[in-house]
Amino acid sequence: NAGVTQTPKFRVLKTGQSMTLLCAQDMNHEYMYWYRQDPGMGLRLIHYSVGEGTTAKGEVPDGYNVSRLKKQNFLLGLESAAPSQTSVYFCASSYGQRGETQYFGPGTRLLVL
Amino acid sequence: TQLLEQSPQFLSIQEGENLTVYCNSSSVFSSLQWYRQEPGEGPVLLVTVVTGGEVKKLKRLTFQFGDARKDSSLHITAAQPGDTGLYLCAGAPGSSNTGKLIFGQGTTLQVKP
Repeated sequence: NAGVTQTPKFRVLKTGQSMTLLCAQDMNHEYMYWYRQDPGMGLRLIHYSVGEGTTAKGEVPDGYNVSRLKKQNFLLGLESAAPSQTSVYFCASSYGQRGETQYFGPGTRLLVL
Repeated sequence: TQLLEQSPQFLSIQEGENLTVYCNSSSVFSSLQWYRQEPGEGPVLLVTVVTGGEVKKLKRLTFQFGDARKDSSLHITAAQPGDTGLYLCAGAPGSSNTGKLIFGQGTTLQVKP
């Protein structure tokens, strides 16, 4: 099993450009999450999904959109990238319920110039 | 908003020394997890503690959940260079059933040979 995979691994964008980050999991997990990680700030939840076709806002959702058309995939979109969105983005998945282990992908490093 | 304050944020010690990392909140969590993250990778779960006062041991690592389920600690005995990494605590809010976690800011541990 590959677990959680993320593409791309690294990307450079210019301000105003758009892009989509793809997360895929092969563990049949119901719940999926997108986080951003910035120095000294831990992981902050952007959006999450509790099942196919459903999404919800997390702690820092502004400037991002998501879609979960298939259970195994969770897409994160940036419609108009800003330098403040320079970060490392992690996708995670879990079976759900309270306190379940979250399994993380290797991350996507995004630089917005 | 529930917050988890982790301390210290950075720790540099010599091989063989002991250390403790603290994770504190004013809120109650239904469970608390500790993750370890190595450079260029996503966090990986070390342990989950669920019951107030619970102590779990993982080789040289000892994890404790506070009696009131508001705080936790990670103690490493005789640290080794292989323990180097970013340690993150994460709490599951008591009122949530979405699987969401609140992460602390992280503690960067450097163990020098």
